[in-house]
Amino acid sequence: DAKTTQPPSMDCAEGRAANLPCNHSTISGNEYVYWYRQIHSQGPQYIIHGLKNNETNEMASLIITEDRKSSTLILPHATLRDTAVYYCIVRAQAGSYQLTFGKGTKLSVIP
Amino acid sequence: GAVVSQHPSWVICKSGTSVKIECRSLDFQATTMFWYRQFPKQSLMLMATSNEGSKATYEQGVEKDKFLINHASLTLSTLTVTSAHPEDSSFYICSARNGGGNNEQFFGPGTRLTVL
Repeated sequence: DAKTTQPPSMDCAEGRAANLPCNHSTISGNEYVYWYRQIHSQGPQYIIHGLKNNETNEMASLIITEDRKSSTLILPHATLRDTAVYYCIVRAQAGSYQLTFGKGTKLSVIP
Repeated sequence: GAVVSQHPSWVICKSGTSVKIECRSLDFQATTMFWYRQFPKQSLMLMATSNEGSKATYEQGVEKDKFLINHASLTLSTLTVTSAHPEDSSFYICSARNGGGNNEQFFGPGTRLTVL
């Protein structure tokens, strides 16, 4: 699976949009972009995933560039409960189904 | 989303004893379950992949005789840490793949193991 690069940390003011970037320049055609987050001392929580179109659900939006080499996770109105480590993972939809976690981005939402 | 439970949520044991951790998918059948380990301030590291009814596949550097994995049913996988030592103290997390759904993985809440 392709490797991803994320900034180690970001701050966001409560109520503002949090935009978390991810680079995945070696992504291949059959690989999806997945986002998970991990709140301290809990298991990771699935947020969203996409292949090439932008995606939106009740938690977040995922914007994938046309060349698919990078993406941005958007939390439209960040709350204190969104403070967590956010992981961007690239994975093929079939095959081993393994998720390889990098170091992620520690998002701190500030009151 | 689908629910995955782990039991116990935390355990403290003496060095040399064995500890069993259970992972259950509560509302779906999990064709595949994964076991991860996470040390403080580090990311999750995959330990092994477990398919129902077959032997687990271990990642490089993970001792299969020390970390015994059983996946006897589509809703239950167990990880047994045998002869635990203080260096095995960690946060153990399982995930389950919903093969009947969209193949998403759902994670359990984790088990904090402390070996004295």
